[in-house]
Amino acid sequence: EIVLTQSPGTLSLSAGERVTLSCRASQSVSSSYLAWYQQKPGQAPRLLIYGASNRATGIPDRFSGSGSGTDFTLSISRLEPEDFAVYYCQQYGSSPPTFGGGTKAEIK
Amino acid sequence: QVQLQESGPGLVKPSETLSLTCAVSNYSISNAYYWGWIRQPPGKGLEWIATLYHTGRTYYNPSLKSRGTISIDTSKNQFSLKLSSVTAADTAIYYCARIGQGLVEGHFDYWGQGTLVTVSS
Repeated sequence: EIVLTQSPGTLSLSAGERVTLSCRASQSVSSSYLAWYQQKPGQAPRLLIYGASNRATGIPDRFSGSGSGTDFTLSISRLEPEDFAVYYCQQYGSSPPTFGGGTKAEIK
Repeated sequence: QVQLQESGPGLVKPSETLSLTCAVSNYSISNAYYWGWIRQPPGKGLEWIATLYHTGRTYYNPSLKSRGTISIDTSKNQFSLKLSSVTAADTAIYYCARIGQGLVEGHFDYWGQGTLVTVSS
């Protein structure tokens, strides 16, 4: 199965900052079948990005995704207070679908 | 908007069978989407468990070692998960979700709120 490694594990940030999160796959993710999710405490994950770069319905344009092959990134252009959360990547190009271990964006 | 709601016992004894149901609202599960279960041990990451289609076709994570059974009830617009021979390692929040774009294995675009299942005697 494809192992996804997210880095860093935790980011200490301030509102207004630009942030880039990394997701690296142990082998190439076919067709850029990679998604990003945001999860806040006590809530289910929320889909942000699918197909590596497509924003899900209702997701603000400060969120963007890029990458292909084994290296993918999620960027948040300007952190809002509600963006402090844990972010997970998921690949679905190869069975079984797998998730990364998550990156926590916390308030500095 | 598609809504999903998990239900089932919050406590299961070791070696017994965990049973959960996901009720879907505002969308017919007989339409062209796949539906799945994902779990998350407390404080940890996410793990895909299983997927099914309204025709009854099913897909399972090999890590379950054949302990899982997923089924659908189109008359009630719901689907279910059974996980046998549970251990403490199966303690987790269990989520049901819809799989986007009509893919067998895809991103999860709608999620239930999740239900915590604890395995303990």
